[in-house]
Order: sequence, then C-alpha cells, then structure tokens
Amino acid sequence: DTAVSQTPKYLVTQMGNDKSIKCEQNLGHDTMYWYKQDSKKFLKIMFSYNNKELIINETVPNRFSPKSPDKAHLNLHINSLELGDSAVYFCASSHTSVVWGNIQYFGAGTRLSVL
Amino acid sequence: AQKVTQAQTEISVVEKEDVTLDCVYETRDTTYYLFWYKQPPSGELVFLIRRNSFDEQNEISGRYSWNFQKSTSSFNFTITASQVVDSAVYFCALSEAKQAGTALIFGKGTTLSVSS
Repeated sequence: DTAVSQTPKYLVTQMGNDKSIKCEQNLGHDTMYWYKQDSKKFLKIMFSYNNKELIINETVPNRFSPKSPDKAHLNLHINSLELGDSAVYFCASSHTSVVWGNIQYFGAGTRLSVL
Repeated sequence: AQKVTQAQTEISVVEKEDVTLDCVYETRDTTYYLFWYKQPPSGELVFLIRRNSFDEQNEISGRYSWNFQKSTSSFNFTITASQVVDSAVYFCALSEAKQAGTALIFGKGTTLSVSS
C-alpha cells in the first residue's frame, strides 16, 4: 500500500488552464504539505495543513489554492497556469506531535509541464 | 533565518569507494531537527535519517553513517563502499523543533554518481 499517493504523476497542459493535483495519505498523519521542486532540483515549502487548518502559506501566487477536505487528503488547485509553474510538486505528511520529530514522508511527485 | 548549505553540487566516484556528503546549517533555534533524504533517478524522495539537535551521537546504518557536530554546525553523511544503486541526489534538511508540522528547509542537494 502506498503511504502517500499523488495523482496524476504527469500533467501536461496549456498556459491559462486550471488543473488540480490530488494527494492522499494512509499513514494516520494529521499534517500535510505541498512542496515545489524547480528545474534545478531546489525544494521549497508551499503550504502545510494540520487537521484541515492552514498552517504555512509561503509566498505563493493566489492562483495556487490548497484544499483539505479531511486530514488524509490535501489537494492543490492551480488557476491560470503559467510557464513558470512547470515543476515537480511533492505532497508530504507527518505526525504533528513533537514526539515524532517532524519526519515527513513524501509522495512520488507530480511533474507539471505547462506549454 | 534558517539555511542549509550543501557545497558539493556533484560528486563522482567509482564503486567501492567511500564518499562523504557535506551539510552545513544555520539556525538561531536551540532545538531543531536535521534530516537526510535521497532522491533516486526515479524521482521520489526517500527519508533516510532524522537527528535531534540535543543528540550528537553519530549513527551507522549498514553502509551509511552520519556525523553530527554542533560545534561546526555540520551534519555530514558518509557512504562506505559505494554502489551503483547509491547514485541519486541527496538532500540535507533542517526544521524547527518547536512544534511538529513545520516546514523542512532543504539544501540544494548533492548529485552522487557511482560508476561500476
């Protein structure tokens, strides 16, 4: 069973379109994250949610909107896609309790290509 | 502000060589966590180790070992007798320990290529 699963794995779309990436975890974690990996492999946090509540919202354009229907799911919706949005997007999850030491488990990533 | 520096962009070794990946971090926090993740060519991010700031014991897991030195703010990763399957991008990361659920701050990664 995949612990953190993202769909789709690849997403190719035209500029201006709206797209969503879904993420689900079956680890029983209560915190979920979205990270962006650019073409130089640099990883940066975008958002984090704890029990459906937004905790971290880094400097990300308003076109990006995360949604957490429950603590096992965190989806990412992107409006009016731009060329610069092309990247690999990773979902991750962790336990909230400090006992668990913030170990984050990542999904396989979604490679988004905007043409 | 927190920062992680991996000065080695790329390293190439021949199988069975030992290799050390360097990681230097900056933080004002007195308690924090340090991590290493592996990203093989298939693209997923694999958790390798987490270290608490108050635990400076070195750790060994098979061919992997980690050396944490608070005095030099370093958390280096050594692979002994490297194998082709070790070829990957390795990321060092840092997070606060004030509350879990905080972001990982990643270094830029070191690409390790192991040839046979």
